[in-house]
Amino acid sequence: EDQVTQSPEALRLQEGESSSLNCSYTVSGLRGLFWYRQDPGKGPEFLFTLYSAGEEKEKERLKATLTKKESFLHITAPKPEDSATYLCAVQAGGFQKLVFGTGTRLLVSP
Amino acid sequence: GAVVSQHPSRVICKSGTSVKIECRSLDFQATTMFWYRQFPKQSLMLMATSNEGSKATYEQGVEKDKFLINHASLTLSTLTVTSAHPEDSSFYICSASWRELAEAFFGQGTRLTVV
Repeated sequence: EDQVTQSPEALRLQEGESSSLNCSYTVSGLRGLFWYRQDPGKGPEFLFTLYSAGEEKEKERLKATLTKKESFLHITAPKPEDSATYLCAVQAGGFQKLVFGTGTRLLVSP
Repeated sequence: GAVVSQHPSRVICKSGTSVKIECRSLDFQATTMFWYRQFPKQSLMLMATSNEGSKATYEQGVEKDKFLINHASLTLSTLTVTSAHPEDSSFYICSASWRELAEAFFGQGTRLTVV
């Protein structure tokens, strides 16, 4: 069974304090790994798609990387507006559906 | 990014009644739409996958007679919660994808409260 595990469950940072979120996965035939951001009471907002080990994507203060077993979401010099839950999901095998991790709740204090 | 609109954003209904939630892809044709349920501080639980013009595929444990899904066109899918009960109260979210291996875009979600 495909599994996605995110750590830490919650992370508290000071503004400007860089850190990384982890997403480890066990799947049969990874087709794509997706990162989303979710604000309370809203639907997830798409951030990145990664397809193969070694691939990296960047957007503003966020950078996503992928290896054969895990993905990292690096947050550089975060701001309070980066506070949200970050979700990782994988698409694997012959299926189009996404399998989600439980998310990392990030809180950035001024 | 692409826009997926979900309506209504909040609904309160009486126990025993049915509620319909709409999910529309506004600027692309969605070959596949997904419906999720999310409990407080938990991740998204996939309920069903629907492809335009065919029957939805439900995940194990999801009652297909209770959660009716219709994907009548490439831009619209609906979820009807039939004979709703308080335990059906939850946050329901749809997503839409235009092709395989493409990212899915999510609607704003619908907060359903059954009283």
